[in-house]
Amino acid sequence: SQKIEQNSEALNIQEGKTATLTCNYTNYSPAYLQWYRQDPGRGPVFLLLIRENEKEKRKERLKVTFDTTLKQSLFHITASQPADSATYLCAPSGGYNKLIFGAGTRLAVHP
Amino acid sequence: EAGVTQSPTHLIKTRGQQVTLRCSPISGHTSVYWYQQALGLGLQFLLWYDEGEERNRGNFPPRFSGRQFPNYSSELNVNALELEDSALYLCASSGVKTGVNSLLHFGNGTRLTVT
Repeated sequence: SQKIEQNSEALNIQEGKTATLTCNYTNYSPAYLQWYRQDPGRGPVFLLLIRENEKEKRKERLKVTFDTTLKQSLFHITASQPADSATYLCAPSGGYNKLIFGAGTRLAVHP
Repeated sequence: EAGVTQSPTHLIKTRGQQVTLRCSPISGHTSVYWYQQALGLGLQFLLWYDEGEERNRGNFPPRFSGRQFPNYSSELNVNALELEDSALYLCASSGVKTGVNSLLHFGNGTRLTVT
């Protein structure tokens, strides 16, 4: 069955550093992969979408890579700020009509 | 533009009871998705509605059901509540009909507690 793995341990980094989050998937070949941010008690908010024919995508301080050979996506936040602290969810498209989410990685950026 | 709205925000029910959760999508969006997020766990896909019809269903028992109205708002019904149904129920809408690359706009959910 389709499986998505994200770091279950929280990622703690110092303000100003680059945070790198990993998303691995198995048993399917998504055409798209999305990243969302979720704050406690709130719904997820869309950040970026990357297609299988795109190796990298950037938006302001965010960068996403998509390696279909490794079945992996990396999500980078450069010059991280305490306001970036949240849980980040990856969602490789799970096939027609369904978007499947990973359990998420909690990021804590310390001043 | 108003976002996705869900009601109620919090709900406490007893085992065996029934509950109805409501969702209003962003204006112009015809697709509504429901997800369950148990504490500390990821989002589990429940249901997808588009143009008033159920298009896909996740791996949940039949006591989870729903519908979409002509104005594209949606209801999620859960019968015979069990303790493990305690979770945050999230509704999302999309203006794209195919689910594969749908960018989802989420509401802030309904927190259901079953005692």
